[in-house]
Amino acid sequence: EADIYQTPRYLVIGTGKKITLECSQTMGHDKMYWYQQDPGMELHLIHYSYGVNSTEKGDLSSESTVSRIRTEHFPLTLESARPSHTSQYLCASSEEGPTYGYTFGSGTRLTVV
Amino acid sequence: GQSLEQPSEVTAVEGAIVQINCTYQTSGFYGLSWYQQHDGGAPTFLSYNGLDGLEETGRFSSFLSRSDSYGYLLLQELQMKDSASYFCALGAQAGTALIFGKGTTLSVSS
Repeated sequence: EADIYQTPRYLVIGTGKKITLECSQTMGHDKMYWYQQDPGMELHLIHYSYGVNSTEKGDLSSESTVSRIRTEHFPLTLESARPSHTSQYLCASSEEGPTYGYTFGSGTRLTVV
Repeated sequence: GQSLEQPSEVTAVEGAIVQINCTYQTSGFYGLSWYQQHDGGAPTFLSYNGLDGLEETGRFSSFLSRSDSYGYLLLQELQMKDSASYFCALGAQAGTALIFGKGTTLSVSS
């Protein structure tokens, strides 16, 4: 079944650690996105990609990096985790054209202690 | 930059009709989308408006007026399962990602 997968679902990690949040999709979408969302709050754009070897920064990009080496894979890396990074991270993908909408993964709930 | 405004909370009873408004400010406009998110769940796409007018999808409709920088989501025949957060999202131009509003929490009571 075509879908978008995020791992891990939950992560508790210590301050200063380097972490990579995984996101993979089997729908063949060229466009992929990372958003950060605190409970009950808006989604903030972190990074996005419109294809292999193409990445763009969003408003919250300064403390993280992404790569897009394969169409189906779009990992997000925090080089040095801080308590302020505690949040939910949502990955999404979409077909070409705005009418199709984004398909979101289930998210990774990150807690930095 | 871009910004969106929507009410933080709306309450209604089962069977009623509710309208969630969204106003936006942007230098460029490509489209306005709506997403639903249940507690603990991922956002799901509901509708898209690129041109003025009404788009209908079952019980849900979405309207756009580009001259007023305004749109709304209309939910009819409300059901308890419609209790969720609803986000409007702005596409400022082709080649950029969506910017989301702060969301409106809809509570449907019996």
